[in-house]
Amino acid sequence: NAGVTQTPKFRILKIGQSMTLQCTQDMNHNYMYWYRQDPGMGLKLIYYSVGAGITDKGEVPNGYNVSRSTTEDFPLRLELAAPSQTSVYFCASMKLQVPGQPQHFGDGTRLSIL
Amino acid sequence: GQNIDQPTEMTATEGAIVQINCTYQTSGFNGLFWYQQHAGEAPTFLSYNVLDGLEEKGRFSSFLSRSKGYSYLLLKELQMKDSASYLCAVRVDTGGFKTIFGAGTRLFVKA
Repeated sequence: NAGVTQTPKFRILKIGQSMTLQCTQDMNHNYMYWYRQDPGMGLKLIYYSVGAGITDKGEVPNGYNVSRSTTEDFPLRLELAAPSQTSVYFCASMKLQVPGQPQHFGDGTRLSIL
Repeated sequence: GQNIDQPTEMTATEGAIVQINCTYQTSGFNGLFWYQQHAGEAPTFLSYNVLDGLEEKGRFSSFLSRSKGYSYLLLKELQMKDSASYLCAVRVDTGGFKTIFGAGTRLFVKA
């Protein structure tokens, strides 16, 4: 089982550049999430989706956009990269119908903005 | 607002028992999770509590008191590989299910 797959694993961007972080899951999960984790900190929710075509903001959505055209894919877009967006980004998915179902995380994308 | 507090760091000795506390103030409580995260890796699921009481899973146990907004993770027979960050996370239902994470407790296990 592939689970949650994130690409790329590492990326260095220049200020003002744009990029898309890819996330795909093969578990038919309805919920998907994007988090960022700064050094020594917990995870902050950027955006989440309850199903294809439905997205909503989390705690720190500014500077990011998402789309959910299929159940499997949930890309995160940075339009104008800023140094404050240097972080590790985790994508996660979850199937809510099972009680106590935890989130399944991808391996993360380490992004540096210089 | 939604807030989760846990100690920043703890140190314990191999073979000992350690308790990591977590307090939370949230609305729409729908369960509390503990995750383990080794440096440079993704979080992995450890335990889940939705009702008051103790849940035991091998060397790990987790306790929840909803009325006090309090949970703890108990690790027994500590091993060096238990050195990691432990994240307390609360799932909330605010019209969609979101999970709020604490900043994590970094546990150092020494020989």
